[in-house]
Amino acid sequence: NAGVMQNPRHLVRRRGQEARLRCSPMKGHSHVYWYRQLPEEGLKFMVYLQKENIIDESGMPKERFSAEFPKEGPSILRIQQVVRGDSAAYFCASSPRDRENSPLHFGNGTRLTVT
Amino acid sequence: DAKTTQPPSMDCAEGRAANLPCNHSTISGNEYVYWYRQIHSQGPQYIIHGLKNNETNEMASLIITEDRKSSTLILPHATLRDTAVYYCIVRVVGTGTASKLTFGTGTRLQVTL
Repeated sequence: NAGVMQNPRHLVRRRGQEARLRCSPMKGHSHVYWYRQLPEEGLKFMVYLQKENIIDESGMPKERFSAEFPKEGPSILRIQQVVRGDSAAYFCASSPRDRENSPLHFGNGTRLTVT
Repeated sequence: DAKTTQPPSMDCAEGRAANLPCNHSTISGNEYVYWYRQIHSQGPQYIIHGLKNNETNEMASLIITEDRKSSTLILPHATLRDTAVYYCIVRVVGTGTASKLTFGTGTRLQVTL
């Protein structure tokens, strides 16, 4: 059973470009969570999605950031007009649909560098 | 979610048991205790979780006090590969949908020869 897959592992963007980060959850999981970890800091929750629905986006910056989890395909975290402060590791996690008490399983992240 | 308090760092000799404490004095009845660890630059790894009974799996044991105000994660025979930041998290469940995890600053465990 493959784990949570994130790609790309490393992404370099120049200021003002767009960054698209992809997350394929574990098989059978329909809950996806995105976290951000700035250099030398802790993990910060960004957004929680189920298929085609955003459940909790309390940690998402109000501008430039968006997330989706379509019926088919991976979850996408999109950052428009990136700035140097967006440089961070972005982690995705997934959990199963009907098991509230199930642990989240994390991918190994996408490291975004903005030059 | 209830807040947790962990020591910022701990050392452990290889082969010895590592006992990582966590205080969660404001925990509610519907909150579970979860433990994760993050090895340098990797994604967080799930270790174990529990509600009120002690739990054991192939990685670790979780001891929760009777009043549930604190817990201890035990790695029975620490190895150098257990060097990581360990996070104790309380998570509310039973609300009808899976809920997020809120990470604190954790305990940086250094396993030495």
